[in-house]
Amino acid sequence: GENVEQHPSTLSVQEGDSAVIKCTYSDSASNYFPWYKQELGKGPQLIIDIRSNVGEKKDQRIAVTLNKTAKHFSLHITETQPEDSAVYFCAAVIGGGDDGLTFGKGTHLIIQP
Amino acid sequence: EAGVAQSPRYKIIEKRQSVAFWCNPISGHATLYWYQQILGQGPKLLIQFQNNGVVDDSQLPKDRFSAERLKGVDSTLKIQPAKLEDSAVYLCASSLVASGNEQFFGPGTRLTVL
Repeated sequence: GENVEQHPSTLSVQEGDSAVIKCTYSDSASNYFPWYKQELGKGPQLIIDIRSNVGEKKDQRIAVTLNKTAKHFSLHITETQPEDSAVYFCAAVIGGGDDGLTFGKGTHLIIQP
Repeated sequence: EAGVAQSPRYKIIEKRQSVAFWCNPISGHATLYWYQQILGQGPKLLIQFQNNGVVDDSQLPKDRFSAERLKGVDSTLKIQPAKLEDSAVYLCASSLVASGNEQFFGPGTRLTVL
């Protein structure tokens, strides 16, 4: 089955700086890669996703890049703000199959004022 | 649009007791998932339903866990008997169709087994 590795486990950045979280996956058949943000006491919330037919996708301050050859994808947050502090999860799945999402272990992002 | 509803939000039980969790997905979502999230880890899929049929329950500990989705809408997840290692947040998610379409998560039920 699919295996997703996520790094780093904790990331502390100064407010206004950029943050980058990286994930690798094992199953070359995976073709849908969502990123979720989870705040304390809440369920994961989708913030951006990418499919394997594109290499990059951007939504305001958030962008995701995908390298299918290397089987890794990254989340980029620019101009970080205090409300960006949360745990971020990457995930992968074989779109078109019948599998649920396989998640990474999460990155605790801390925005220092 | 109302989100995924789950209840209860918190539950504390003794080991060997039983417990049940309820989920109401977003209206019209045919696919429903139950995930287990142990503290400090990412969610792990337990079971996936398409309408009222089970698509994947390969990671469900069937000796103690059971789930059903009668009428293809609401779902319940049961643990009987509970073990200490079942302490976790149980998340329900739904999507319009299976396999890679956006999954919407509920707030989860935090279970503590003493």
